Amino acid sequence: GAVVSQHPSWVICKSGTSVKIECRSLDFQATTMFWYRQFPKQSLMLMATSNEGSKATYEQGVEKDKFLINHASLTLSTLTVTSAHPEDSSFYICSALGQGAAWANVLTFGAGSRLTVL
Amino acid sequence: QQQVKQSPQSLIVQKGGISIINCAYENTAFDYFPWYQQFPGKGPALLIAIRPDVSEKKEGRFTISFNKSAKQFSLHIMDSQPGDSATYFCAASLALTGTASKLTFGTGTRLQVTL
Repeated sequence: GAVVSQHPSWVICKSGTSVKIECRSLDFQATTMFWYRQFPKQSLMLMATSNEGSKATYEQGVEKDKFLINHASLTLSTLTVTSAHPEDSSFYICSALGQGAAWANVLTFGAGSRLTVL
Repeated sequence: QQQVKQSPQSLIVQKGGISIINCAYENTAFDYFPWYQQFPGKGPALLIAIRPDVSEKKEGRFTISFNKSAKQFSLHIMDSQPGDSATYFCAASLALTGTASKLTFGTGTRLQVTL
C-alpha cells in the first residue's frame, strides 16, 4: 500500500534554532500534501496545505513565516520550524494525497515527527 | 461550520463488547467521512470511510452508520479486543481530490478494552 515516511521521527532542539521535517511519499506521487500539528491528548489541527510547485496555503492563525513549507517535488514536502520556541513543541504529522490511476483518492498519513524545543 | 463534534471523550468496554463512538458535523458540503485509529506516538491510520450516499458500511468488525438528515455518523466496533485500545478520530472533508481533501478532525475518543 501507499507509504508516507516522515523524518526525523523525533528531534530535540534548542530554543531559537530551526528544524526541518521531511515528508516523503515512497511509492506514489502526491500533488497535494497536508501538515497537521497535534498537542498531547488533543486532536489533529491542520496547519497548511502543500501543493507541488506552488506556495502553501496556511490555515487561519498559522504563521507562514514561522512554519515554512516547501513542496519541491511530487514526492517530498518539508516543514521548517524557524526560530523554534518551547511552545512549538508538538507532534507534527503530514499526509499525502495520491495521484494517478493507482493512487488517486488515496490519502495516507505519515508516522509523525515529535519536536521538543528546550 | 467546519466543526466536527465527537463523543464520548473516553470509553471503556469489556473484551467482546461493542464500542460505539459518535460524531456530528455542521457543514452539509462535507462529502467524505473517514475514521482513524491512532496509537501513542504514531500517525493516524485509516480504519474505514463512508460517503453520504450510503447509510452504512461494514468492514470486518468495523461499521460506520451514517445519518445524513441528522448530520451524524458513528463507528461501531464489534467484538472489541484489547488490541483495539487506541484513540479514534472521526473526520470529514469536502472531497477526496486535491486541496478539498483536507480533513477536519473530531476531538478524539480514547478507547480502552478491558479483559
